[in-house]
Amino acid sequence: DTAVSQTPKYLVTQMGNDKSIKCEQNLGHDTMYWYKQDSKKFLKIMFSYNNKELIINETVPNRFSPKSPDKAHLNLHINSLELGDSAVYFCASSQGLGNYEQYFGPGTRLTVT
Amino acid sequence: GQQLNQSPQSMFIQEGEDVSMNCTSSSIFNTWLWYKQDPGEGPVLLIALYKAGELTSNGRLTAQFGITRKDSFLNISASIPSDVGIYFCAGQEKGAQKLVFGQGTRLTINP
Repeated sequence: DTAVSQTPKYLVTQMGNDKSIKCEQNLGHDTMYWYKQDSKKFLKIMFSYNNKELIINETVPNRFSPKSPDKAHLNLHINSLELGDSAVYFCASSQGLGNYEQYFGPGTRLTVT
Repeated sequence: GQQLNQSPQSMFIQEGEDVSMNCTSSSIFNTWLWYKQDPGEGPVLLIALYKAGELTSNGRLTAQFGITRKDSFLNISASIPSDVGIYFCAGQEKGAQKLVFGQGTRLTINP
């Protein structure tokens, strides 16, 4: 029984394409996040949502558009992919705002060629 | 934004040895967490700390919330091969609504 799941696990695409990554959590949490991990393993928050509402947008280019259809799902759509977007993207969730025990998904490795 | 300084960046030890790593910040943090990441996986929460001076254990792992609220330490006792991985500290700065992460400590164990 997976707690936080992401699809796909791997994504290889060409520059200029548009792609989406999906995330679902079955923990009953209210808050969900997207993180980017670069090649040096540095983890940086991109977005957070609480009960489908955007809370944090960490100056991410507007080619990245998160969407939360309900509090168990937070998807990430990326337009006009660039080489620098290559990274591992992690979804995470926590019980609610003010609770920082975050549980991570397995990651999506995006490679832009 | 706030950066966490995690050290050491890497450690090479013998099985059975104890391990220590730490994380420091230039400002006060309300929460400290420690995560472990295995290759190809997401970070897994090991220990969460909420009060200055708090010492918390999880099996062979012990973490402390520094008394100044600007640092945290993680110790692993009697290391075993499955302890290999990257350990991250993370913290919630006072007044912030997000976690910031350290650069990670890569632990390698020689059998």
